[in-house]
Amino acid sequence: SQELEQSPQSLIVQEGKNLTINCTSSKTLYGLYWYKQKYGEGLIFLMMLQKGGEEKSHEKITAKLDEKKQQSSLHITASQPSHAGIYLCGAGDTGRRALTFGSGTRLQVQP
Amino acid sequence: GAVVSQHPSWVICKSGTSVKIECRSLDFQATTMFWYRQFPKQSLMLMATSNEGSKATYEQGVEKDKFLINHASLTLSTLTVTSAHPEDSSFYICSARAPEGRANYGYTFGSGTRLTVV
Repeated sequence: SQELEQSPQSLIVQEGKNLTINCTSSKTLYGLYWYKQKYGEGLIFLMMLQKGGEEKSHEKITAKLDEKKQQSSLHITASQPSHAGIYLCGAGDTGRRALTFGSGTRLQVQP
Repeated sequence: GAVVSQHPSWVICKSGTSVKIECRSLDFQATTMFWYRQFPKQSLMLMATSNEGSKATYEQGVEKDKFLINHASLTLSTLTVTSAHPEDSSFYICSARAPEGRANYGYTFGSGTRLTVV
């Protein structure tokens, strides 16, 4: 089965600093999803990457998928308190099955 | 497009009672829905895949008789936690496969249900 490892597990940064979260797969990724979750709430879709080398940006968040499609990174530029939460990477497969999620990264942004 | 509504958002029940959680697709038909469980400070763990008109497929280690799943229509899947105990307290989230081109590349999530068993 697909296994996703996220690093770091938790992160505390000062407001305005940049940060990167990594997601590594044990298998080739056919679709890599990034979500944000506030504790006790649902998931907010951020981005989906599918092609090797693909990069997408939305506001101050950039996600990349490496050429081998086994590792993805999520980069936040000039972090703000509103970026705080749990970031989850999820992977699909070639079938119509559920997403498998990484262990999550808990981000705190200190004003 | 492609919204999933999950109810209730939170519930408190006594040990030994059963609790039903609903996951409803509002503007599309979902032949497949998924149920996840999330412990505090942990990630989402897939419990089962709910298939409309057939039996659910449970992940290894998930008790079928404990977590009853019914997907009797194309817009509704329910998860019933039977004879709930404090260790069943958790955050439960449903997800549905949406039609291609809708809802964030195919997956849409409910807002979750926090279950507390006392």
